[in-house]
Amino acid sequence: EPEVTQTPSHQVTQMGQEVILRCVPISNHLYFYWYRQILGQKVEFLVSFYNNEISEKSEIFDDQFSVERPDGSNFTLKIRSTKLEDSAMYFCASSPGQGRTNEKLFFGSGTQLSVL
Amino acid sequence: SQQGEEDPQALSIQEGENATMNCSYKTSINNLQWYRQNSGRGLVHLILIRSNEREKHSGRLRVTLDTSKKSSSLLITASRAADTASYFCATVKRGGSNYKLTFGKGTLLTVNP
Repeated sequence: EPEVTQTPSHQVTQMGQEVILRCVPISNHLYFYWYRQILGQKVEFLVSFYNNEISEKSEIFDDQFSVERPDGSNFTLKIRSTKLEDSAMYFCASSPGQGRTNEKLFFGSGTQLSVL
Repeated sequence: SQQGEEDPQALSIQEGENATMNCSYKTSINNLQWYRQNSGRGLVHLILIRSNEREKHSGRLRVTLDTSKKSSSLLITASRAADTASYFCATVKRGGSNYKLTFGKGTLLTVNP
């Protein structure tokens, strides 16, 4: 079965550094998302991306965050200047398209980001 | 409680027993979904129930939804050791985007062989 893949599985960085988390969504999916889970807390929506632009973002997704689809297969999340509170598991997800086909999200295994 | 709160937080049962997990939420919803997460893995969609449905089945899974009580339950029958995982409910708010899920903290289910 097709799956969403994320790299790296673990990322350690120093506070203030830039990080890029990478994802390869399922190939025929049109919508892409980032969610995150801080340790011991709930999985939270960050951003959705469709047709090469952000379609919706949460209040968490401030100017330090950006997303990009640099080519036909990758979807990236960049954090410009990491803070300690950015430490979390970041999940990429994708879904097929419009309407009810977007109800079922396919998640990757996540990237555990640790900011020191 | 916050949107999408599961209980219990942890549940330990013997193989072959049934496992029931509950979820409560606060706002009106379009649908409610259950996801499973095995340790170190991603979230896997299990089942979706819409706000106008009361019960749904998928294999050994049975989900109920009571919109008057703003609650849902997930029943796993004849559990197996492979069912050991964390289970999350996630809601889509009425009028909200289909993909914008609000998750609970999850129930950690351990099925002992």
